[in-house]
Amino acid sequence: DQQVKQNSPSLSVQEGRISILNCDYTNSMFDYFLWYKKYPAEGPTFLISISSIKDKNEDGRFTVFLNKSAKHLSLHIVPSQPGDSAVYFCAASPTLFSGTYKYIFGTGTRLKVLA
Amino acid sequence: IAGITQAPTSQILAAGRRMTLRCTQDMRHNAMYWYRQDLGLGLRLIHYSNTAGTTGKGEVPDGYSVSRANTDDFPLTLASAVPSQTSVYFCASSDGKRVAGEQFFGPGTRLTVL
Repeated sequence: DQQVKQNSPSLSVQEGRISILNCDYTNSMFDYFLWYKKYPAEGPTFLISISSIKDKNEDGRFTVFLNKSAKHLSLHIVPSQPGDSAVYFCAASPTLFSGTYKYIFGTGTRLKVLA
Repeated sequence: IAGITQAPTSQILAAGRRMTLRCTQDMRHNAMYWYRQDLGLGLRLIHYSNTAGTTGKGEVPDGYSVSRANTDDFPLTLASAVPSQTSVYFCASSDGKRVAGEQFFGPGTRLTVL
């Protein structure tokens, strides 16, 4: 059973508009969430994170929102740029007793920003 | 340049053969991970290591083994490859100092088992 779900396999957005990527999780023990971006033939790169004590984290054009009661998080990209075209993965982890993290990744959403 | 290197970049392997995917990091990160990426399934954790000398099983460990003799290296071995192990394999490392659990990924190894 998929603990982290990204139900939209793909998304197309016009340049300059907002991109909203969604992620749902089922495990209430998850308390740390990351978003990664992946270009073809490259490894994923870290984009932005949020812990369960917050409901919003912003970094430049990227904002992540967390709704713990709905077990839902979303990534907003404003304004979207053609270089943002990539696959986006959300990942969630509980904090383990050792202070380490074991992330479960979603299946990814392919974003295409149209010029 | 600091980072993670993986070798080989790609490999075609006959079923039943043994294969070791190599991963080396020079960031002195304590934790290292192996993932496989398959279409429609995202990234799935195979094995991980919190520190040199220790390893643990992830979501899909069957058919794979790892070792962590030192901080820098974390090889992944397929003892007897099967076609279902055809995938792209990513190695990652983390130290959790800047962002808790943030992982740095290598460029991947594309493995095809025939």
